Amino acid sequence: EVQLVQSGAEVKKPGESLKISCKGSGYSFTSYWIGWVRQMPGKGLEWMGIIYPGDSDTRYSPSFQGQVTISADKSISTAYLQWSSLKASDTAMYYCARPGRYCSGTSCYTDGYFAYWGQGTLVTVSS
Amino acid sequence: SYELTQPPSVSVSPGQTARITCSGDALAKQYAYWYQLKPGQAPVLVIYKDSERPSGIPERFSGSSSGTTVTLTVSGVQAADEADYYCQSADSSGTYVFGTGTKVTVL
Repeated sequence: EVQLVQSGAEVKKPGESLKISCKGSGYSFTSYWIGWVRQMPGKGLEWMGIIYPGDSDTRYSPSFQGQVTISADKSISTAYLQWSSLKASDTAMYYCARPGRYCSGTSCYTDGYFAYWGQGTLVTVSS
Repeated sequence: SYELTQPPSVSVSPGQTARITCSGDALAKQYAYWYQLKPGQAPVLVIYKDSERPSGIPERFSGSSSGTTVTLTVSGVQAADEADYYCQSADSSGTYVFGTGTKVTVL
């Protein structure tokens, strides 16, 4: 069974750093992209970026490029989302999510949707 | 990047049909996917590749596509269907985008 288990809720002050995690299990962690999605209070879902743990290829939404860092440690099947200096506007629920994949013949392709989701990590930034 | 636009809200009486649209130029070339989001829960995929329904999703959920607009239809709406719904698409470069979201209220 595919599972994505995220780290627990965080309460931080503006200017502090933070790294939240998402541990994948039940599948080959290095063979699937894994992404991050933000939901600010009362707002919609926003795609932040995605990483391929196999080679650390990372893509960011233009809205989040330079604001966060996505990384992965394939030795422990864990993806990370980190901030170097939090702002109050970073207060949100953050989800990790993994796209599906389909294979045709000898080639496999990443599906354009997120088939599996973590439970979410609530990050609160307040002075 | 590109945008996907949804109506902010849709209200429907139990047993009636709710239709939620999602518009964006990219949808003419890319598939759309739909998620249901309830408070305190992770998103649930209800439609993929415009009109396919994942296993476990009730038949009352269906999807369709026409040009740059896709539509999620919920037939015979139940109280349990009250939620926020988001369309989503992706391009070939691995960029994903979510729609603006629609709150479905069951009257």
